[in-house]
Amino acid sequence: NAGVMQNPRHLVRRRGQEARLRCSPMKGHSHVYWYRQLPEEGLKFMVYLQKENIIDESGMPKERFSAEFPKEGPSILRIQQVVRGDSAAYFCASSPRDSDGYTFGSGTRLTVV
Amino acid sequence: EDQVTQSPEALRLQEGESSSLNCSYTVSGLRGLFWYRQDPGKGPEFLFTLYSAGEEKEKERLKATLTKKESFLHITAPKPEDSATYLCAVQANTGNQFYFGTGTSLTVIP
Repeated sequence: NAGVMQNPRHLVRRRGQEARLRCSPMKGHSHVYWYRQLPEEGLKFMVYLQKENIIDESGMPKERFSAEFPKEGPSILRIQQVVRGDSAAYFCASSPRDSDGYTFGSGTRLTVV
Repeated sequence: EDQVTQSPEALRLQEGESSSLNCSYTVSGLRGLFWYRQDPGKGPEFLFTLYSAGEEKEKERLKATLTKKESFLHITAPKPEDSATYLCAVQANTGNQFYFGTGTSLTVIP
């Protein structure tokens, strides 16, 4: 039973490019969460999705960031026109139900140069 | 505002030297308190969930306890492989997100 799979593990983008981060939840998990971890800071909530629905996006920056969890395929976190401040580790987590503890993936480390 | 404060920021222990990590929280109705372990370059690994004051959970050398204001992670006779960052998070009744502390970086010296 594979865990939460994130890819790529490392992503380098130039300022102004787009970054696409992928997350495949654990088998049987229908709830997906994205968190961002900046150096020396705690994990910060970004968005909570279920299949084809965004449930809570209160932690998402209003511009340039979007997320989806289609009926088929992985969840995607998309960052348009990246800036240096977007450099961080982005973690995806999944759970079978809303109130359960999450299972985290290994993260995608985005570096904007 | 819901928030989590962990202390100390860093802790160095000799192998076998027991200690405790603290997680103080402020939340508008606690749904659950969670402890995770994070190794460098990896995602957090789930350890415990606590739901109500007085609850305790144990796993190997780790024991988590919960009061109305804080949680402790007790480490008994630690080994070098226990070296990691330990994260605490709370989930409120009113929302879906977890609020994470900044973690305690634990180093166990052989």
